[in-house]
Amino acid sequence: GAGVSQSPSNKVTEKGKDVELRCDPISGHTALYWYRQSLGQGLEFLIYFQGNSAPDKSGLPSDRFSAERTGGSVSTLTIQRTQQEDSAVYLCASTPRVGEETQYFGPGTRLLVL
Amino acid sequence: ILNVEQSPQSLHVQEGDSTNFTCSFPSSNFYALHWYRWETAKSPEALFVMTLNGDEKKKGRISATLNTKEGYSYLYIKGSQPEDSATYLCAFGVGGGTSYGKLTFGQGTILTVHP
Repeated sequence: GAGVSQSPSNKVTEKGKDVELRCDPISGHTALYWYRQSLGQGLEFLIYFQGNSAPDKSGLPSDRFSAERTGGSVSTLTIQRTQQEDSAVYLCASTPRVGEETQYFGPGTRLLVL
Repeated sequence: ILNVEQSPQSLHVQEGDSTNFTCSFPSSNFYALHWYRWETAKSPEALFVMTLNGDEKKKGRISATLNTKEGYSYLYIKGSQPEDSATYLCAFGVGGGTSYGKLTFGQGTILTVHP
């Protein structure tokens, strides 16, 4: 079946612009996670959604970052007024439910802020 | 703040060599330890999830062990092949509370296997 997909695969933007990154999880997966990997760093948790529960936003680095999940499926991560330190690979993962052992990752969006 | 450390940061081996990497993690509030392989331009792929102290898992030439009491896991690759070249990530999951389901990743070990 189809895996997790993300778009765009690459994004170059200018400092100060807003960007939207999209994630389509595996059909039927109720838990969705966003991570990012900055250069030389490990994967950093950003936010997760579980069904209709309030999302866990504890990993979002600033209030410029927000995420939505519409209809329990597609998620959009929005970064407002991008800064150069936002340059990273942004990964989305999904699982059938929170705590399900294996997380299934998408290919990521490579964001470069000039 | 949870600290997950991986060593070495990078490794170059010749085809046919066997190799191993280490992941160390907090030994308290342990729930699960994950290993992923991340090849360039692809999605991270799950290798193993281990939950019990003493767990050993194997997938072809790759195997992993877990020691939750001392807080480490080893990943072994026997007879490395060029297609094993990738970044190997370990991730620690805590049990219960508001952190349940979230993974803390190490920085990864970059393996390059030379033909």
